[in-house]
Amino acid sequence: DAGVIQSPRHEVTEMGQEVTLRCKPISGHDYLFWYRQTMMRGLELLIYFNNNVPIDDSGMPEDRFSAKMPNASFSTLKIQPSEPRDSAVYFCASSFMGTQYFGPGTRLLVL
Amino acid sequence: AQSVTQLGSHVSVSEGALVLLRCNYSSSVPPYLFWYVQYPNQGLQLLLKYTSAATLVKGINGFEAEFKKSETSFHLTKPSAHMSDAAEYFCAVQGGGADGLTFGKGTHLIIQP
Repeated sequence: DAGVIQSPRHEVTEMGQEVTLRCKPISGHDYLFWYRQTMMRGLELLIYFNNNVPIDDSGMPEDRFSAKMPNASFSTLKIQPSEPRDSAVYFCASSFMGTQYFGPGTRLLVL
Repeated sequence: AQSVTQLGSHVSVSEGALVLLRCNYSSSVPPYLFWYVQYPNQGLQLLLKYTSAATLVKGINGFEAEFKKSETSFHLTKPSAHMSDAAEYFCAVQGGGADGLTFGKGTHLIIQP
């Protein structure tokens, strides 16, 4: 099993640009989570899905953030327009039976 | 609402010494508790988890943690530190078995040779 796959691993963009982060969960897992890690705020839950349906998006910081899960094998987190304060490491995790497995993360830098 | 407090943002121990990383939690429901480790520029790796079975939980790499309800604690220990244990350690709480994780701020473990 390849584990949770995230792309890109690194992203550098300019303020105002659209950013799309991608995640492929572990096959057979029914939950998918998006987290953000910053020095100031630590690890925060942004949104999570169960069987491709968004369950709780209360952690999404602003309307500039959106997430989709069109099928069981793929999810995206989009930021439009991006701002420097969005710079962080974004993790995707998937789970089955309660244990979450994390991807390697996408390190986003917004200039 | 749930929360996690990790005492000590940095802990330094000598190689071969006992490792003790402290975690206290707050949860309105019987919690599931986790310890994750993060190596530089990597994702989080599960060390161990408590899900209301045995209160002493054994994990990977020689780590274990004990759930103490009366103290609302879930401290992580390892009898003998190894240089490869140097990393960031996160305690996390989960309610209801299917919610997202609430993480502590993390403890950076430093191993002195």
